[in-house]
Amino acid sequence: AQTVTQSQPEMSVQEAETVTLSCTYDTSENNYYLFWYKQPPSRQMILVIRQEAYKQQNATENRFSVNFQKAAKSFSLKISDSQLGDTAMYFCAFMRRDNYGQNFVFGPGTRLSVLP
Amino acid sequence: EAGVTQFPSHSVIEKGQTVTLRCDPISGHDNLYWYRRVMGKEIKFLLHFVKESKQDESGMPNNRFLAERTGGTYSTLKVQPAELEDSGVYFCASTRSSGRGTDTQYFGPGTRLTVL
Repeated sequence: AQTVTQSQPEMSVQEAETVTLSCTYDTSENNYYLFWYKQPPSRQMILVIRQEAYKQQNATENRFSVNFQKAAKSFSLKISDSQLGDTAMYFCAFMRRDNYGQNFVFGPGTRLSVLP
Repeated sequence: EAGVTQFPSHSVIEKGQTVTLRCDPISGHDNLYWYRRVMGKEIKFLLHFVKESKQDESGMPNNRFLAERTGGTYSTLKVQPAELEDSGVYFCASTRSSGRGTDTQYFGPGTRLTVL
C-alpha cells in the first residue's frame, strides 16, 4: 500500500521569503502522479502543482516549484516570494493510475502561516 | 463554470442519528469521489463513482455508510446510525472521464460532520 508522509505539521514564513514543505512517499509502483493541494481557511481545496513520475524535469507554476527525487521518493514544494494568501493547509498526494481510475493517497498536511 | 458544491457545510448530530451529505460535481464530470478527514489525520479515500456506478468502494469504513449517485449527477453519502468516530470533514471531488493520463480532481469545500 502507498503511504505519504509530511513531517512538518506546522510551518511559518515571513512574507516575501521562501519556504520549502517536505513530502516523502512509499510505493512499489513505477508510474504514478504526485500533487500538492492547498486548503485555505475558506476550506475549498485547490490544486497547486502536479508532477508525473516519468518526467525528470521538476514542475513549476509561477512561485511554486517542486523538487522531485524519484529514487529517494521525495517530493518537496518550494514557495518563493511568499504572500499572505499562501496561508493554508498544504496536502501532498500520491495517485496511482490503474484500470479503475484515480485514487488519491494524501499526507496528513502541513499548516503554513505566512507572517506579515 | 460552477465548482463542486457540498451541502450542508456543517452538520451536528447525536450518536445514533442519521445524516445525509450531498455533493454536486462539476457539470459533465463523470467521475465523483468521496474522501474524509478525521480530526488530525490524513484525508482518506472512501469511494469512486463513474457516472452512476460504484467503481471502487474499498475505502468505505463499514456498512453504516451508504453512497448513491442516481442518474449519474449528484451523489449522497448517508451515515446511519452515526457514531462518534464518524466526526470529521467529508470531501467530494470530481473529474472528467479521461482515457489516458490524469485529470485534475476538483474538490468541494467539504462538509464538517460533528457527532455528539
